[in-house]
Amino acid sequence: GAVVSQHPSRVICKSGTSVKIECRSLDFQATTMFWYRQFPKQSLMLMATSNEGSKATYEQGVEKDKFLINHASLTLSTLTVTSAHPEDSSFYICSTTGWASGSHEQYFGPGTRLTVT
Amino acid sequence: DAKTTQPPSMDCAEGRAANLPCNHSTISGNEYVYWYRQIHSQGPQYIIHGLKNNETNEMASLIITEDRKSSTLILPHATLRDTAVYYCIALGGGADGLTFGKGTHLIIQP
Repeated sequence: GAVVSQHPSRVICKSGTSVKIECRSLDFQATTMFWYRQFPKQSLMLMATSNEGSKATYEQGVEKDKFLINHASLTLSTLTVTSAHPEDSSFYICSTTGWASGSHEQYFGPGTRLTVT
Repeated sequence: DAKTTQPPSMDCAEGRAANLPCNHSTISGNEYVYWYRQIHSQGPQYIIHGLKNNETNEMASLIITEDRKSSTLILPHATLRDTAVYYCIALGGGADGLTFGKGTHLIIQP
């Protein structure tokens, strides 16, 4: 399956600052990537769908001006949490889909743990 | 996407087969059954998927009932590393994001 990396693996930032999380598809051209977040003891929740070269599609309740997504190449999507607050502290996970090549499964990155102090 | 129902937790002895059930009684004809698992503090891992027929790969087997209203994921020889939350997801073919339920927390006992 596809190999997906994320950077950084964990980050601590102060309230009011912005944090950028990178998601890379290392061996697969990812026209579509997804961003999820997971609060402690809860399931993953889909935040947005990121399509290469176009605007991301956000799920209901996710502020697009707060969570900026850029998917400028087939191997890289970035999520920027702007003006982060303690309630944004969460585990952020990206995934790619093999749908375009006829495969159905999604491949997930290892996740980025964000702590906002 | 069809709603799925799974038991919240299960125990299994190491070396035995772990059978994880999933109910998806409202699944539509074009929806696949996918299984993923998430080991603590890691990203989810794809396990297997199927439409109608039973499927087997190097990780697991998937048994889907003839009416497609339920399925069972089988880990044939569970090890301690199989302790994880297992998610059953019904999804049509296409590039859609996944809706995760609460899953089943499988604990493999030594």
